Amino acid sequence: EVQLVESGGGLVQPGGSLRLSCAASGFTFTNDWMAWVRQAPGKGLQWVASINQDGTGKYYVDSVKGRFTISRDNAKNSLYLQMNSLRAEDTALYYCARDIEPGGQGALVTVSS
Amino acid sequence: QAGLTQPPSVSKGLRQTATLTCTGNSDNVGNQGAAWLQQHQGHPPKLLSYRNNNRPSRISERFSASRSGSTASLTITGLQPEDEADYYCSAWDARLTAWVFGGGTKLTVL
Repeated sequence: EVQLVESGGGLVQPGGSLRLSCAASGFTFTNDWMAWVRQAPGKGLQWVASINQDGTGKYYVDSVKGRFTISRDNAKNSLYLQMNSLRAEDTALYYCARDIEPGGQGALVTVSS
Repeated sequence: QAGLTQPPSVSKGLRQTATLTCTGNSDNVGNQGAAWLQQHQGHPPKLLSYRNNNRPSRISERFSASRSGSTASLTITGLQPEDEADYYCSAWDARLTAWVFGGGTKLTVL
């Protein structure tokens, strides 16, 4: 059974940083692109970033370019999202996704003073 | 990054058939197809269909996806109360090198 478990969410002030982690199991992690998808309160789904199998290809939605960094550790079956210069509009539930398929409960990130 | 176009809401009766649409362009839906996700209120989204229109094994045969040109469709037969949810489509845009989502369709089962 595919499992994706997000962690690292929390309350942070505008301009602050957070690092999300995702522990993957139940599939061959190194075979798949991975992604982060977010959902602001009461809003629809928004893709945030994707990374290819060996980590050499990284893609971001325009609104997070230069602020967020996606990475992976294939030895640990883990995906990460380093979020810097956080803004109020980054407040959302962040889902770890296999390709574009979210698999966990999400990590809540709240950016507020 | 422009998104895909979905009707905001669709209403159908119990045991009827609903067809949800998702319109993109030749760079996204028309290129590699669209995935479909279902989300019940207060729950994480769940994948219903891959971009190649195949269903994950756990998904009911009542859900089927198709594509014609740059428009993807999700057909749900024999509507049940538990099908009432938000439905999202998503596609990889080769020109933008980005995933794009539709705004979602709220399906109401009357």
